[in-house]
Amino acid sequence: SQTIHQWPATLVQPVGSPLSLECTVEGTSNPNLYWYRQAAGRGLQLLFYSVGIGQISSEVPQNLSASRPQDRQFILSSKKLLLSDSGFYLCAWSTDTGPYEQYFGPGTRLTVT
Amino acid sequence: AQSVTQLDSHVSVSEGTPVLLRCNYSSSYSPSLFWYVQHPNKGLQLLLKYTSAATLVKGINGFEAEFKKSETSFHLTKPSAHMSDAAEYFCVVSDSGGYNKLIFGAGTRLAVHP
Repeated sequence: SQTIHQWPATLVQPVGSPLSLECTVEGTSNPNLYWYRQAAGRGLQLLFYSVGIGQISSEVPQNLSASRPQDRQFILSSKKLLLSDSGFYLCAWSTDTGPYEQYFGPGTRLTVT
Repeated sequence: AQSVTQLDSHVSVSEGTPVLLRCNYSSSYSPSLFWYVQHPNKGLQLLLKYTSAATLVKGINGFEAEFKKSETSFHLTKPSAHMSDAAEYFCVVSDSGGYNKLIFGAGTRLAVHP
């Protein structure tokens, strides 16, 4: 069966510090991968998605970036965090064929102070 | 363009009573529709999915949803609420724009009272 991991689970970082969140998927090959952010009391915002190694599409201009160095690894980064980057970050995967439901990781709670 | 509207931001029920969470969608083609549940500080869990097969879809934990094309609705129901059902629920439609993107509703917070 497939599983998706995210770490760390929680993170408190000062403004201006760098960020690296990692997501890995097990039990599947060539998944589509997604990063979402969920701000307090708000819905999900798609940040990045990837359909293959080295392929990243950005949905929202911001100071975040994503990389996919391996087939089942997806990394979210920032060189300098802003207060507005606080939120709950979720990684998800889907197969590359229909019906395209996504499966979510446990999330990372990021607080920028 | 595809969109989804969850008609209630909050729903409150008593334990043992039925649950109804309403969702309307807009799509220019035959969509795939999903319901997800999110408990506090947890990831989203897929409850059920509609993919143009049977219009009544059964999911996990006793939930089901009915796809009604004439009403462009995909309401989520459960005959008897449990305390553990208290969570945020998201109605989701697939995006025709490719790469399997999903469009999420704003969410409905379900409270269950003893």
